[in-house]
Amino acid sequence: QLELTQSPSASASLGASVKVTCILSSGHSSYAIAWHQKQPEKGPRFLLTVDRDGSHKKGDGIPDRFSGSSSGSERYLTISSLQSDDEADYYCQTWGTDIQVFGGGTRLTVL
Amino acid sequence: EMKLLESGGGLVQPGGSLRLSCTASGFTFDNYAINWVRQSPGKGLEWVSVVSGSGDLTYYADSVKGRFTISRDNSRNTVHLQMTNVGAEDTALYFCAKDYFSSGWGHFDSWGQGTLVTVSS
Repeated sequence: QLELTQSPSASASLGASVKVTCILSSGHSSYAIAWHQKQPEKGPRFLLTVDRDGSHKKGDGIPDRFSGSSSGSERYLTISSLQSDDEADYYCQTWGTDIQVFGGGTRLTVL
Repeated sequence: EMKLLESGGGLVQPGGSLRLSCTASGFTFDNYAINWVRQSPGKGLEWVSVVSGSGDLTYYADSVKGRFTISRDNSRNTVHLQMTNVGAEDTALYFCAKDYFSSGWGHFDSWGQGTLVTVSS
């Protein structure tokens, strides 16, 4: 069964970097994923896609501070030079035959 | 700039019906599938349904199958989600999201701001 697992929370200091992890379920390590940012009172915002080889493609207007990478069944979102506005929930998304799946989300706190 | 705007949310009684709409601009509407995704209070994102660019293919999450119907009017750049026999579990903020592909089953590259549905007597 296609599933995505995320840690519920992460934190890092203002100006630092943070890596958020999304884990694909067994047998699905070749799948690409997308990362979305969800801030309170706003709709989600597409950030980037991450392929199995670690290549990533950002959405329009997404700053270079956001990047993606991959290792095996894990897909990562790295945010560098953290700003207070980066405090949000981050969701990974993947897709298969007749199915769309979201991870449970990671709440990022900027200290 | 791609834009999606949801409307139609509100308070509905258990067992009642509601129709949500999503109006799009900034892209060739009938070239892309449109999805509905919801977020219940305090919970994560849950995919609900998708309609292909042409409107001839539709899919639903098991949680809404048989109760919700998705459709689109490409002449008006609008997608509808007809909700029937709603229950408390359908209380959520509903978002529409543009799919990367015409057939669906790709990543979502543009989202709306959401419309709130509250099911309560």
